[in-house]
Amino acid sequence: QKEVEQDPGPLSVPEGAIVSLNCTYSNSAFQYFMWYRQYSRKGPELLMYTYSSGNKEDGRFTAQVDKSSKYISLFIRDSQPSDSATYLCAMTGTNAGKSTFGDGTTLTVKP
Amino acid sequence: DAGVIQSPRHEVTEMGQEVTLRCKPISGHNSLFWYRQTMMRGLELLIYFNNNVPIDDSGMPEDRFSAKMPNASFSTLKIQPSEPRDSAVYFCASSLTGNEAFFGQGTRLTVV
Repeated sequence: QKEVEQDPGPLSVPEGAIVSLNCTYSNSAFQYFMWYRQYSRKGPELLMYTYSSGNKEDGRFTAQVDKSSKYISLFIRDSQPSDSATYLCAMTGTNAGKSTFGDGTTLTVKP
Repeated sequence: DAGVIQSPRHEVTEMGQEVTLRCKPISGHNSLFWYRQTMMRGLELLIYFNNNVPIDDSGMPEDRFSAKMPNASFSTLKIQPSEPRDSAVYFCASSLTGNEAFFGQGTRLTVV
């Protein structure tokens, strides 16, 4: 079993929908949680970075961490076609530098 | 800042040839990572440097792979000899804290 599980999708939603992307993990030592967006043939781009449990909001994006359930989420409000990409979760524990990535969820937002 | 800069963007080489990938991290970042991404295996960490020193190279697949960071603004990943199964996109990333990472655009390597 992988340390980080992420549903690969694909996920297709209409423009304006609220999108929920999720990852579960098994290593309770993970403390730092990241979400990256990767467009086709581009490098991953850091979207959100949170420490420990709680919520963090940045514009249309909200990252949520529930350490008790070992579950993290990324919500996208008012989704746009430009949000169509692969979204990767990543997490780091006490070993800074050794992030474990999910396999990514491919999202398509249809106009 | 221009971000993490990688070169070349594309590389096509014949099996057995030496390949060198280059990376310039974001100025001021003290952590540098080399990743490899394939459809089958996703994003894999190959090696991690902190303050120019290799900290963890457990992801380097075999002795054919080597990485150096001679100074804070430059790193190389070398494959010698290259094999078709090395075909992948190789990313360099840098970080201030070692957690969140800023990725380059990648080098798409094809070994024929």
